[in-house]
Amino acid sequence: EPEVTQTPSHQVTQMGQEVILRCVPISNHLYFYWYRQILGQKVEFLVSFYNNEISEKSEIFDDQFSVERPDGSNFTLKIRSTKLEDSAMYFCASSEVGTSGFYNEQFFGPGTRLTVL
Amino acid sequence: GNSVTQMEGPVTLSEEAFLTINCTYTATGYPSLFWYVQYPGEGLQLLLKATKADDKGSNKGFEATYRKETTSFHLEKGSVQVSDSAVYFCALSPNSGNTPLVFGKGTRLSVIA
Repeated sequence: EPEVTQTPSHQVTQMGQEVILRCVPISNHLYFYWYRQILGQKVEFLVSFYNNEISEKSEIFDDQFSVERPDGSNFTLKIRSTKLEDSAMYFCASSEVGTSGFYNEQFFGPGTRLTVL
Repeated sequence: GNSVTQMEGPVTLSEEAFLTINCTYTATGYPSLFWYVQYPGEGLQLLLKATKADDKGSNKGFEATYRKETTSFHLEKGSVQVSDSAVYFCALSPNSGNTPLVFGKGTRLSVIA
């Protein structure tokens, strides 16, 4: 069964460093998402991406964040200068392109735990 | 705005016990409602969903009914198993298509033999 994969599973970095979190969505999916969950808090939406551009983003997704689809398989989240409060579990998800009036299931990866020291 | 509130965990039950995890929501319009499950070391998996009022989603013995009058979508299972131990997330989608999900905090369930 096709699945979303994420690497690394755990990333430890120093404050101020750049990190890139990687995701391989399901191959025939065209819509991609990043969510994060700070320990003990809700899973929060960061950004969605379609047709090589950001479709929607939350207020969390500021100038420190960027997303990219560098090739036909990977989808990345970059944090330019990490802060302590960026420590969280980051989930990637993908879905087929939606049909008006119908929900398209989002398939999630196992997450990357980011620890900023 | 849109939000989801679910009961705090952890919840610890004996095998074959009855499970209820409460979930209430706030949304404009008519959202779709979901329960996702995360088993240890794995990603979030869609467990069940309901797209309109009075719909009942069901899967693997779990059920949840979309109650518009109480803005609730409580998860239930009549007899839990050790293999049901996981974190359960209630979520809503404000619209259809590819709109982002709004999640609750998650409830950790531990089932002991």
